[in-house]
Amino acid sequence: DQQVKQNSPSLSVQEGRISILNCDYTNSMFDYFLWYKKYPAEGPTFLISISSIKDKNEDGRFTVFLNKSAKHLSLHIVPSQPGDSAVYFCAASAMYGGSQGNLIFGKGTKLSVKP
Amino acid sequence: DAGVTQSPTHLIKTRGQHVTLRCSPISGHKSVSWYQQVLGQGPQFIFQYYEKEERGRGNFPDRFSARQFPNYSSELNVNALLLGDSALYLCASSRRGGAGEKLFFGSGTQLSVL
Repeated sequence: DQQVKQNSPSLSVQEGRISILNCDYTNSMFDYFLWYKKYPAEGPTFLISISSIKDKNEDGRFTVFLNKSAKHLSLHIVPSQPGDSAVYFCAASAMYGGSQGNLIFGKGTKLSVKP
Repeated sequence: DAGVTQSPTHLIKTRGQHVTLRCSPISGHKSVSWYQQVLGQGPQFIFQYYEKEERGRGNFPDRFSARQFPNYSSELNVNALLLGDSALYLCASSRRGGAGEKLFFGSGTQLSVL
């Protein structure tokens, strides 16, 4: 049973436009959400995170939005650049009920930004 | 500063064999976690260690074991390898391993079981 779902395996966007990557979760105990980017032959790299007490967090071109009532979060990349082409993973963790540092990952969305 | 380092980068084993994977965390990080990533899936949590103590364990069989050393480096051991153990094994470190703390990942060990 997947607790973190990324329903779009792939996304193609034109350079300069907005990329929106979506993530849904089922466990209401999750209180931190993180986005990681992964290039081939490299480990995942942290991008941005958000606590469940917030609904938005921004860092440069990257913004994460959290809708707790819908159990949905999204990552916006504006403007998209060819170097953003990678697999993006959504991950969640819970402060209680188990290993605090354990991240639950979605299956990932492969973003392709075309020049 | 050096990032998380893992060795070896690639490994080929046959069914029934045993394997040991190694990880050195970022300097100052006391928590190490192990994840398994099968092709087409996201990383799946195997173990977390903090200050040499096991803090958490994912849904993996007893064939999987790990330990953390006084210098905070870690080993992941897998016994009686199965074909389904073929995957990318990722090590991640963080300062305390607390909830919401970002993890820094190594490049992984690609294990192929034939």
